[in-house]
Amino acid sequence: QSVLTQPPSVSAAPGQKVTISCSGSSSNIGINYVSWYQQLPGTAPKLLIYDNHKRPSGIPDRFSGSKSGTSAALGITGLQTGDEAAYFCGTWESSLSTGGSYVFGTGTKVTV
Amino acid sequence: EVQLVQSGAEVKKPGESLKISCKDSGHIFTTYWIAWVRQMPGKGLEWMGIIYPGDSDTRYSPSFQGQVTISADKSISTAYLQWSSLKASDTAIYYCASVLSIAAGAGLDVWGQGTTVTVSS
Repeated sequence: QSVLTQPPSVSAAPGQKVTISCSGSSSNIGINYVSWYQQLPGTAPKLLIYDNHKRPSGIPDRFSGSKSGTSAALGITGLQTGDEAAYFCGTWESSLSTGGSYVFGTGTKVTV
Repeated sequence: EVQLVQSGAEVKKPGESLKISCKDSGHIFTTYWIAWVRQMPGKGLEWMGIIYPGDSDTRYSPSFQGQVTISADKSISTAYLQWSSLKASDTAIYYCASVLSIAAGAGLDVWGQGTTVTVSS
């Protein structure tokens, strides 16, 4: 069902940086805001980034978001072992067939 | 503090009905949308649908239309997800989450803790 494509996994050493890509289309990422969610093992997802690049209160500035055209990216700098989690992008779908639905990315497992 | 508190884990048999809940505290319940998201074992997140408790406007993902019913009781700030006849393939964790505005393209900002539903004979 996922219409947003992410790499299955990325890894880096503690202190390093990773970037996770999220590829969509003109009917979703191309015209709507992108959010990113962090899901630590065994827990519910948590909003990490909204409106492409904004961070909710309490989210450190090690996490950053960007969008260009029909793709978005999440960057994590100064990696910590506590960042090991699954990360999902998400946005609204505005196509005629599924208009009004929200779509998630396939998810990326980050290993530190 | 804004919270969404979901009902507890359920173990059901195929063909049985089920209704799980999501109680909102801290929001003004009738001014937010409440969404439902499925996560099958070891898999990603799937959008099921969303309801605006203020006027019960409800929208379903085409994948879940006719398979589940989303409802809400604004008098007790609670949203529901229900099945009339469960299948083994409904085994999953179900999350509720709040959305400030669809029109503004808002994300899912507060999530419930999840309800594990196991369907097995």
